[in-house]
Amino acid sequence: DVKVTQSSRYLVKRTGEKVFLECVQDMDHENMFWYRQDPGLGLRLIYFSYDVKMKEKGDIPEGYSVSREKKERFSLILESASTNQTSMYLCASSLTDLYEQYFGPGTRLTVT
Amino acid sequence: QKEVEQNSGPLSVPEGAIASLNCTYSDRVSQSFFWYRQYSGKSPELIMSIYSNGDKEDGRFTAQLNKASQYVSLLIRDSQPSDSATYLCAVTDTGGFKTIFGAGTRLFVKA
Repeated sequence: DVKVTQSSRYLVKRTGEKVFLECVQDMDHENMFWYRQDPGLGLRLIYFSYDVKMKEKGDIPEGYSVSREKKERFSLILESASTNQTSMYLCASSLTDLYEQYFGPGTRLTVT
Repeated sequence: QKEVEQNSGPLSVPEGAIASLNCTYSDRVSQSFFWYRQYSGKSPELIMSIYSNGDKEDGRFTAQLNKASQYVSLLIRDSQPSDSATYLCAVTDTGGFKTIFGAGTRLFVKA
């Protein structure tokens, strides 16, 4: 079974802090994704990566950056956390040919 | 703006009935189509993928795709209370990298 893990299930940070969310997958998937999910807004793509050191902006990249130094690991960085970044953050991975995405358990981030 | 539309529900069906979930998409050249199930407080879980017109069956689940009508559906036969969840329809573009998710349909199966 594909396993995608995320570094924290719950996280509370203060406004202005730098926040790191880590995601690791164990199935040698080429593609990795970061989404946020908010009530009424559904899943929105923040960034994705199709290879090591490659990254592409999604629909809502403002205020976020990403890093992919190794194939299995994809990090999301909030440079200066703000209250409007309080959300559920979901990491996913997929193979290039099938595009079926497998999600991690999610990190519920609260910024106060 | 590419869109994936779902009825938000809630859709309520009695135990043992067939639940029918529908989805339309705007990008005519979309290639890959998925249904995810998401329980409250959990992350989405892939339950079905379909790539060509017609029906695809997997246990109690049947996905139906009609590219001409830009329509995807999911049928759940013999619905169980454990099927109560939000079902997300997802469509991937021709490049395969960007997947657009619908907002989801909440399903309640009454015992």
